[in-house]
Amino acid sequence: QKEVEQNSGPLSVPEGAIASLNCTYSDRVSQSFFWYRQYSGKSPELIMSIYSNGDKEDGRFTAQLNKASQYVSLLIRDSQPSDSATYLCAVNGDTDKLIFGTGTRLQVFP
Amino acid sequence: DAGVTQSPTHLIKTRGQHVTLRCSPISGHKSVSWYQQVLGQGPQFIFQYYEKEERGRGNFPDRFSARQFPNYSSELNVNALLLGDSALYLCASSFGRPLQDSPLHFGNGTRLTVT
Repeated sequence: QKEVEQNSGPLSVPEGAIASLNCTYSDRVSQSFFWYRQYSGKSPELIMSIYSNGDKEDGRFTAQLNKASQYVSLLIRDSQPSDSATYLCAVNGDTDKLIFGTGTRLQVFP
Repeated sequence: DAGVTQSPTHLIKTRGQHVTLRCSPISGHKSVSWYQQVLGQGPQFIFQYYEKEERGRGNFPDRFSARQFPNYSSELNVNALLLGDSALYLCASSFGRPLQDSPLHFGNGTRLTVT
């Protein structure tokens, strides 16, 4: 079982819709959760971080965490073509390393 | 403010050669981490350094080594290159211990191709 699992996609949504990206993790002691956006050929860019159960909103982005279910998600409201990228879910492991999923490719079409 | 800077941006090496990748963290950041990202995969942790001491090592062979200098910049060295070492090598910095104090911010990476 992979430590951090994401659906590789592509997830295709029309412009203006809500994109929902999901991630599950296997290590129950994980404490910190991150979403990074990566455009093709570029480096990952931090979008959101979340540390406690519930929702955290920042602009068009909402991160949701459910530690009991070992589940973290990212919602993107009013999706734009410029949001088309790969979204990486990352979870802390031991020794302060981040464990990344393989990423979900999001395509927003006009 | 300058972000995390890495050099070189691209590199082509032959199997068996050695490579050194360099990273300068964001000003004021004391922690540097290295990640390897193979095409189609998420980044994989290689090393973390904090205040010039190694604080974590991923599941990579001893051919991989790193160090952090007094000015907090860092080098990643890979010996006896294999074709499978071809990847994007990412350096990330943070102010303190990454996961308690501040998230990681990545540089633009070094694209290494081994032929």
